[in-house]
Amino acid sequence: IAGITQAPTSQILAAGRRMTLRCTQDMRHNAMYWYRQDLGLGLRLIHYSNTAGTTGKGEVPDGYSVSRANTDDFPLTLASAVPSQTSVYFCASSDSTVNNEQFFGPGTRLTVL
Amino acid sequence: GENVEQHPSTLSVQEGDSAVIKCTYSDSASNYFPWYKQELGKGPQLIIDIRSNVGEKKDQRIAVTLNKTAKHFSLHITETQPEDSAVYFCAANLYNFNKFYFGSGTKLNVKP
Repeated sequence: IAGITQAPTSQILAAGRRMTLRCTQDMRHNAMYWYRQDLGLGLRLIHYSNTAGTTGKGEVPDGYSVSRANTDDFPLTLASAVPSQTSVYFCASSDSTVNNEQFFGPGTRLTVL
Repeated sequence: GENVEQHPSTLSVQEGDSAVIKCTYSDSASNYFPWYKQELGKGPQLIIDIRSNVGEKKDQRIAVTLNKTAKHFSLHITETQPEDSAVYFCAANLYNFNKFYFGSGTKLNVKP
């Protein structure tokens, strides 16, 4: 693994189903983030984590949950997906003790029908 | 919370010309302003950033300027090339607080 990876690359999901998007980084960054990207709205922060064991809410947290059991992994869970959660999801990480430069993963394209 | 506005939403320039993208922010406490380039099907990538203790920063053909009083910052690309075609995002952040607020993006098209 080099940098930050996400899985799956894309997914089509029926409304009401549970889904977990995976994110792993190997840079030992303390901070991790989940964003959703919708046309014309840029990137909006869903949840973030300053360090393993802590999480915080971003701009649009409703319907999503996260956990940070260790430094490397930061999964995002949709407990009961709805069509408005159709989006492209990006995970990012940064070392906020140094310069806070964010590194982004390649994204997951999620469609909820 | 912070509100970041970005203009224009689309920009078309001829190869070799300059391109300027502008952003404004609302929270005077923000002190870190990165710019990202996003190519089709990929995640955003940092291209340049500026902190509030400087007014300008350059990296080859790319420069960013910051006016703290007016709360706006701009990205300048000189001698544009077709490979500069992408979507560019600005963002604002209060350093050491892990919330980044992004502009809505500018789609830059450089015509050969």
